[in-house]
Amino acid sequence: GAGVSQSPSNKVTEKGKDVELRCDPISGHTALYWYRQSLGQGLEFLIYFQGNSAPDKSGLPSDRFSAERTGGSVSTLTIQRTQQEDSAVYLCASSFQPNTEAFFGQGTRLTVV
Amino acid sequence: GESVGLHLPTLSVQEGDNSIINCAYSNSASDYFIWYKQESGKGPQFIIDIRSNMDKRQGQRVTVLLNKTVKHLSLQIAATQPGDSAVYFCAEKWNNQGGKLIFGQGTELSVKP
Repeated sequence: GAGVSQSPSNKVTEKGKDVELRCDPISGHTALYWYRQSLGQGLEFLIYFQGNSAPDKSGLPSDRFSAERTGGSVSTLTIQRTQQEDSAVYLCASSFQPNTEAFFGQGTRLTVV
Repeated sequence: GESVGLHLPTLSVQEGDNSIINCAYSNSASDYFIWYKQESGKGPQFIIDIRSNMDKRQGQRVTVLLNKTVKHLSLQIAATQPGDSAVYFCAEKWNNQGGKLIFGQGTELSVKP
């Protein structure tokens, strides 16, 4: 596609359930980033991929969070045993190279009830 | 989480005036900086970027200034329009820690007609 695509756009889940969020980066982009944004707040860094490897996973809040990227393209962010504090917008971005502009998707709004 | 700080959380300007949004970044090893605009319910939109070998870069109605001595970044918007109303984020590339892109908390710009 022309831009970064994230799915689903909205997700409501019950506390304790697992969720999987998907990011399709712009074709050919080697770098991929995941962020979390709570209402009215800034973007909290979660994880960064260069190709299929993740040089920095330091932002993942707990071991309930994991992410993978396969084929240097699609990435999935998995949250296990969701908690209410996981409710936020999860944003994905990609860039052609690490030091070029990163383009964002529209995000997945996750609500844990 | 890790973030870049901003001097002003809110800024209100009159239509037609110039706007200046400031940002203090934290990592002296950062060599790439980006400004983003985020409208309500949307993902951040790239505005302009600058590398550390420059101190000024101009785009259409926008100028970014970089002062590495005091680790300060600013975004100037000329002839501010109602459509410029949004939250503006600065971001820095932490190249000494794997290359993650770290965002500030954001400044909300409100343009009065």
